[in-house]
Amino acid sequence: ELKVEQNPLFLSMQEGKNYTIYCNYSTTSDRLYWYRQDPGKSLESLFVLLSNGAVKQEGRLMASLDTKARLSTLHITAAVHDLSATYFCAVDSGYALNFGKGTSLLVTP
Amino acid sequence: GAVVSQHPSWVICKSGTSVKIECRSLDFQATTMFWYRQFPKQSLMLMATSNEGSKATYEQGVEKDKFLINHASLTLSTLTVTSAHPEDSSFYICSVSQGANTGELFFGEGSRLTVL
Repeated sequence: ELKVEQNPLFLSMQEGKNYTIYCNYSTTSDRLYWYRQDPGKSLESLFVLLSNGAVKQEGRLMASLDTKARLSTLHITAAVHDLSATYFCAVDSGYALNFGKGTSLLVTP
Repeated sequence: GAVVSQHPSWVICKSGTSVKIECRSLDFQATTMFWYRQFPKQSLMLMATSNEGSKATYEQGVEKDKFLINHASLTLSTLTVTSAHPEDSSFYICSVSQGANTGELFFGEGSRLTVL
């Protein structure tokens, strides 16, 4: 069974700071996705990572994938309040997407 | 990406009643749709895979007689929670995979069910 672990689960950070969220998974996969969820809302697709070494950037967020280490990172640069949300990574098992537990990010002034 | 719409956005019902949630793929013909459930402050759990014109595939532990899924057309899948109980209260989200090469899922707005 594919297991997906995110850490940290909760993160409070000041505006302007940098931080990284980690996503580890237990079995081989070369497809990994990052989603954002605002309170009471559904999921919004952020990044699709489809190969080892893939790196995608959008604004203050950058995601990378190391399939050999079974690790993906979501790096936040110079955080702003608008980034406060829950971030999920999801790994394609070949049958369905398995989601991590999510990282609740709160960016404070 | 694909545009997915769910209805209703939220519903409150009495214990023992049945509730139907619709999921529509507005700009894409989806032979497969996925139904997820999310409890407060938890992750998404796949309930079932809805297949157009055939029976849904349920995940282990999901009662198929309680959560009826119908995928009668390429743009509509429905989830009916039968004889709902308070423990069925949750956020139900459907999704479609438009990208055959990417496997990326696009999610509906979600339907929040509260069973009294």
